[in-house]
Amino acid sequence: NAGVTQTPKFQVLKTGQSMTLQCAQDMNHNSMYWYRQDPGMGLRLIYYSASEGTTDKGEVPNGYNVSRLNKREFSLRLESAAPSQTSVYFCASSERGRGRLEQYFGPGTRLTVT
Amino acid sequence: AQKITQTQPGMFVQEKEAVTLDCTYDTSDPSYGLFWYKQPSSGEMIFLIYQGSYDQQNATEGRYSLNFQKARKSANLVISASQLGDSAMYFCAMREATIQGAQKLVFGQGTRLTINP
Repeated sequence: NAGVTQTPKFQVLKTGQSMTLQCAQDMNHNSMYWYRQDPGMGLRLIYYSASEGTTDKGEVPNGYNVSRLNKREFSLRLESAAPSQTSVYFCASSERGRGRLEQYFGPGTRLTVT
Repeated sequence: AQKITQTQPGMFVQEKEAVTLDCTYDTSDPSYGLFWYKQPSSGEMIFLIYQGSYDQQNATEGRYSLNFQKARKSANLVISASQLGDSAMYFCAMREATIQGAQKLVFGQGTRLTINP
């Protein structure tokens, strides 16, 4: 049981390049999330998808787009990378609802934009 | 806007001692949830414990317990009998809202805990 997987693990981009971060979960969760973690800070929500077919902005959506490809997969795209997007990116998934529905996180993608 | 504050950037504790990691929160929503996550040096996020705002008792999960003081808006994590493997970053997070069933979390800045042998 792989849980939440992310590819790639590491990536270096030049300013202006584009790339897509891939995320997949095998827990049959409805909700999926993308976060970024900057040095010395907690995670901040970029985008989320409550269920297949829906996506919505989180706290820091500028410069990103997402696609909920199907129930399993949720991708994050940087159209024109900037040095300010250097960060560690985490994908997470959870059951849908309220209460103790913890989010399960992937291992992260470390992105450097030069 | 909802907010989480963790005032201890770093803590150093002797092995086998108990440790309390502080977390205060700010919200006007009467229904909310508080989570603690552990992030070891390997980077993954590990769920530890959850407390709902309407839960009557403080949450416990093995060596982890949550000292929930609703009137003071604090949700401190207590780790009993600390072990070397407890050395990690610890994040407090609050469920900001439930939008169509998705749980939007707001994270604190974290506390780096170091357990000394």
